[in-house]
Amino acid sequence: NAGVTQTPKFQVLKTGQSMTLQCAQDMNHEYMSWYRQDPGMGLRLIHYSVGAGITDQGEVPNGYNVSRSTTEDFPLRLLSAAPSQTSVYFCASTQRRGGNQPQHFGDGTRLSIL
Amino acid sequence: DAKTTQPPSMDCAEGRAANLPCNHSTISGNEYVYWYRQIHSQGPQYIIHGLKNNETNEMASLIITEDRKSSTLILPHATLRDTAVYYCIVRVLYNFNKFYFGSGTKLNVKP
Repeated sequence: NAGVTQTPKFQVLKTGQSMTLQCAQDMNHEYMSWYRQDPGMGLRLIHYSVGAGITDQGEVPNGYNVSRSTTEDFPLRLLSAAPSQTSVYFCASTQRRGGNQPQHFGDGTRLSIL
Repeated sequence: DAKTTQPPSMDCAEGRAANLPCNHSTISGNEYVYWYRQIHSQGPQYIIHGLKNNETNEMASLIITEDRKSSTLILPHATLRDTAVYYCIVRVLYNFNKFYFGSGTKLNVKP
């Protein structure tokens, strides 16, 4: 099992550019989510999905779009990158069974917006 | 959702037990306690979780007080590689999107 795989690991963008951060999991988890982590702070939820075709906003959704066409993939799109979106982005997944399963996190994408 | 309070930092000697406290005085009956750690800027790593009984796995032990208002994560024999930020999180059953990371405790394991 690869677990949760995020690509790319590093990316530098110019203000106004768009890009997609990829996230894939091979554990057949129903729930997937995206977080951002700014320096010295905890993680904040951007968007989440409870299953294919279902997504919803988290704590800080502005400037980001998501879709969930398959169980395995949950890409995060930056529509028009801004310097305030410079951060480390983490994707996570969890199994719905029992309602108490822990989330498994990827290794992150480090994004810099110039 | 219950909030958690953790000390900002702790020191521990290598080979000794590290005991990390967490206060969650407003926890409700259907909220679980989860512990994660983050080494440098890697992805958070799951350690252990529990509801009301003490739990143990290959990484750590979780002690939850009888009134459930606080818990302690125990790393029995801390190593330098255990230096990390440790997060205590409470979450309601099935509320997968209510998973809030606070500031955590920076554990410094010293030789």
